[in-house]
Order: sequence, then structure tokens, then C-alpha cells
Amino acid sequence: RKEVEQDPGPFNVPEGATVAFNCTYSNSASQSFFWYRQDCRKEPKLLMSVYSSGNEDGRFTAQLNRASQYISLLIRDSKLSDSATYLCVVNDLSSGAGSYQLTFGKGTKLSVIP
Amino acid sequence: EAGVTQFPSHSVIEKGQTVTLRCDPISGHDNLYWYRRVMGKEIKFLLHFVKESKQDESGMPNNRFLAERTGGTYSTLKVQPAELEDSGVYFCASSQARASGEGEQFFGPGTRLTVL
Repeated sequence: RKEVEQDPGPFNVPEGATVAFNCTYSNSASQSFFWYRQDCRKEPKLLMSVYSSGNEDGRFTAQLNRASQYISLLIRDSKLSDSATYLCVVNDLSSGAGSYQLTFGKGTKLSVIP
Repeated sequence: EAGVTQFPSHSVIEKGQTVTLRCDPISGHDNLYWYRRVMGKEIKFLLHFVKESKQDESGMPNNRFLAERTGGTYSTLKVQPAELEDSGVYFCASSQARASGEGEQFFGPGTRLTVL
């Protein structure tokens, strides 16, 4: 069973559309949750952290449901510049190791079309 | 402020050869991580340094991989001898230590390794 599972897409949406990505994780003891963005042949960059209370940053809204082990990202009013791969990432404090290793999903590719 | 840098950006070697990747973290970041993305797979953790000490090397695939961080500044990851399945993109990340845990991990641009 994959530790972090995402729909790989691709999601092809017109400019201005609203798009939602979902992610599930297998480790119920996971402590921190993030969405990273990765442009083609570039490094991953933190988009936003995800909290149980839900959080919003401009056009982006992230939600966490710990009971269902489910994370979501909503992008409103999509821009061409939003085209990228969105990575669902979980941070597990490795037992006994004190290491904040990140566990990545394979990513969901988004293409925003003019 | 300079970000995480990695060298080389690309490396093409033959099976059986040795390759050494270098990572320079953001100045002042005690935590340094190595990750790898093999084609078609997700990015996977390899190991974690806190200063010069290996905190967690549970992700290292086998003993052909050796990571060092002498002096607690830059780090090297050596693959010897390289195998075909080692091909992929190797990312380095660094973060600050905080009293409440760990800060954001900032990633370098990666080294694309191709083993022929």
C-alpha cells in the first residue's frame, strides 16, 4: 500500500476554473502535512502547510481530515502560471530517529489552458 | 540569501563507475537531507544529517551509497559502483532547527544522474 496516494492526473482546466486535488496517507501517526509545487525539471517548493482547521492563502485552500487520513487542495480562479505538478507531502517524525523525513506522493499534474 | 546548491546539475556515467554528488545547504541550516526520485516513482528520502552527524539513514538503498558531511557544512553523496537502477534525480534539502521542531525544508535544484 502506498504511503501517500494521489490521483496522477493530468488535470487540464481552462483559465478561471476551480480545481481540487485529493490525497490520502497511510500512517495515522503522521504529524505534519504540506502541499509542494514542482515545475517541470525544477525542485519542489513549499506551497502551503495543511492544518486540521483548514487554511487559505489567496486562491489556495488546504484541508486536512485526520480521521479519514485525507488532505485536499483547492485552487480557485486558475491562472496559466498555476500549471505544475502538485505534491502531497507528509512529515513523519521517524520513531527513535528524530528525523523529519518527508514522504511524498507521486504528484498530480495540472495544466491550465488559455 | 543563496539557496541550496547542488553540483553537478547532470552526470552521465557508465555502470560500475563512481560518482560523487555535492550539496551546499543554506548557510546556518543544521539539517541536511538527501532525497531521490527514480523515473516514474515518487521522491523518496535517503538520509538526514544534523550538523555532521547522521540522524537517520534508513532510506539509503544499499552500501554502494555513502554520504558524508564533514565539518557540518556541505555534504557529498558517493555512489560506488553505480548501477543502472541508480539513475534518477538526487535532491538535497536543508532546514533550520527550531525549538518547536523543524523549519521548512528548502530543496536544491537536484542532480540528474544517468547510469548507462
